[in-house]
Amino acid sequence: GAVVSQHPSRVICKSGTSVKIECRSLDFQATTMFWYRQFPKQSLMLMATSNEGSKATYEQGVEKDKFLINHASLTLSTLTVTSAHPEDSSFYICSAIPAGDSPLHFGNGTRLTVT
Amino acid sequence: AQKITQTQPGMFVQEKEAVTLDCTYDTSDPSYGLFWYKQPSSGEMIFLIYQGSYDQQNATEGRYSLNFQKARKSANLVISASQLGDSAMYFCAISRGGNYGQNFVFGPGTRLSVLP
Repeated sequence: GAVVSQHPSRVICKSGTSVKIECRSLDFQATTMFWYRQFPKQSLMLMATSNEGSKATYEQGVEKDKFLINHASLTLSTLTVTSAHPEDSSFYICSAIPAGDSPLHFGNGTRLTVT
Repeated sequence: AQKITQTQPGMFVQEKEAVTLDCTYDTSDPSYGLFWYKQPSSGEMIFLIYQGSYDQQNATEGRYSLNFQKARKSANLVISASQLGDSAMYFCAISRGGNYGQNFVFGPGTRLSVLP
């Protein structure tokens, strides 16, 4: 079945530093990937839609300059949290749709802790 | 705008019993898809079942079935013969567009606890 791999699974960083999270589609090409954020005991909130070869589309209220998205190939999208602050601590999870008639497949998520 | 409501923040069920998790939705799109995902404590999102808005029959996948009532805008998940491994968060989601569209909107989730 379709596999989406996300790395790292956990990361702890100091306030003010940047963190890059990778999302890879292992056995399919994904022209579009999605980045979600999930706070503890809450639902998934779509942050942005990552489009291969073009700019990402951000949801209202999501800072483009803080959450940099790069979708440089058909199998890789990256989310960089720049100048991270403790309030950026959250669970970030990516997803992709393998083909036209397939459900959304998710990576295993990245738990970011900013100290 | 699309919206999903899950009114049960937490549910308990005895092992081997059946349980229904509620989901109601609101959308103005004529074509949409309804999904259920399971999220264990480890965090990954596991696809369970899908129902298209034009599907006449309720979807079933093993022990999972979706009770789709279009007029009531509800898409409840029924889990039969609950197992301890079913303990997790369950999210109902709606997608815009045809069968497996994009632009998912997730509900707040229901935490299911299966009791031995």
